[in-house]
Amino acid sequence: GQQVMQIPQYQHVQEGEDFTTYCNSSTTLSNIQWYKQRPGGHPVFLIQLVKSGEVKKQKRLTFQFGEAKKNSSLHITATQTTDVGTYFCAGPGAGGTSYGKLTFGQGTILTVHP
Amino acid sequence: GAGVSQSPSNKVTEKGKDVELRCDPISGHTALYWYRQSLGQGLEFLIYFQGNSAPDKSGLPSDRFSAERTGGSVSTLTIQRTQQEDSAVYLCASSLDSTGNSPLHFGNGTRLTVT
Repeated sequence: GQQVMQIPQYQHVQEGEDFTTYCNSSTTLSNIQWYKQRPGGHPVFLIQLVKSGEVKKQKRLTFQFGEAKKNSSLHITATQTTDVGTYFCAGPGAGGTSYGKLTFGQGTILTVHP
Repeated sequence: GAGVSQSPSNKVTEKGKDVELRCDPISGHTALYWYRQSLGQGLEFLIYFQGNSAPDKSGLPSDRFSAERTGGSVSTLTIQRTQQEDSAVYLCASSLDSTGNSPLHFGNGTRLTVT
């Protein structure tokens, strides 16, 4: 079945440093979604990428979708303590009855030291 | 009609007992998802509904797990004869549809502890 791999599993940075997490799917995706889960909270939708090579920005966050639509990345510039949490990518199934199934990567746990 | 509502928020049960977890999705959302998250781990897909039908229930760990959805709204996840390895946070999410293109809105989860 479809697999979504995410690296690194953990990332510790000093406040002000940059951070990047990478997501790779075993299948071509129609879209990729990114979520953030704060400690003790539930995942919250951040953004969706649909087009091949698409780049979207949200303030200090930059999201990219690969040309082959099988990989994606999230880059945070100049991290702040408010960025702490787990970042997940997620992609839909390849087709049939699994199309609506959203598979999540294992997540990257970001710790920011002040 | 704010967000996705899950109950109970916490459930402690003895090994071997049955439990029912409830999810009330956002009004108008036709798709509903159940995920399981163990401590510090990722989101494990269990099942999703489109309306009252479950096109994909491939993630249910065993036949002790079942789920239903009625009226295209509330869903119940039932775990029979609970085991310690069932301890986790059970997250419910809803979305406008199940095309795979609609963002998921998660509830706060039910933390299940099996003693």
